[in-house]
Amino acid sequence: RKEVEQDPGPFNVPEGATVAFNCTYSNSASQSFFWYRQDCRKEPKLLMSVYSSGNEDGRFTAQLNRASQYISLLIRDSKLSDSATYLCVVDATNKLIFGTGTLLAVQP
Amino acid sequence: DAGITQSPRHKVTETGTPVTLRCHQTENHRYMYWYRQDPGHGLRLIHYSYGVKDTDKGEVSDGYSVSRSKTEDFLLTLESATSSQTSVYFCAISESPGRAYEQYFGPGTRLTVT
Repeated sequence: RKEVEQDPGPFNVPEGATVAFNCTYSNSASQSFFWYRQDCRKEPKLLMSVYSSGNEDGRFTAQLNRASQYISLLIRDSKLSDSATYLCVVDATNKLIFGTGTLLAVQP
Repeated sequence: DAGITQSPRHKVTETGTPVTLRCHQTENHRYMYWYRQDPGHGLRLIHYSYGVKDTDKGEVSDGYSVSRSKTEDFLLTLESATSSQTSVYFCAISESPGRAYEQYFGPGTRLTVT
């Protein structure tokens, strides 16, 4: 089993739609969780940290479920500019483990 | 954007040749990392540094070495390049132990070993 698993997609959604990504992780000792965004042929960029109580940043909401060991990212009112690959990232003993990413394509 | 540059941005080299990639930061961050990204694998840590002359191995360190003689520079060397090292290499930095996981990435180096 991979340490961090994501549905690779692609998720094809129309502008204005709400889309959710899930990610599962295997290390129950992990304490830090993040979502990164990566545009095609670009570097990953930190989108948001994920806190135990859940957190929101504008149209983006991240949730953590420790009991089930999964993390989610909800994007509301999708924009064309949201098209990218979203990487789920979890800490494991002083290093980060990156998922392979979920590709989102927002259609006009 | 964090001040991180990588050089070269693209390189094609032959099997068996040594290759050095450079990461330069202007943020004075303590931690620096080298990752490789390959289809189906996500980003994998090669080596990291937690200070000048302080480095440690990541999960895919075989065939790679690193050096950090100054805070701002972190070099990754492929001692004898192989085709399996064809990849995109990213450097990352982070500020402090408490925020070590908020990493910021350079633009990447695309390396092709023929």
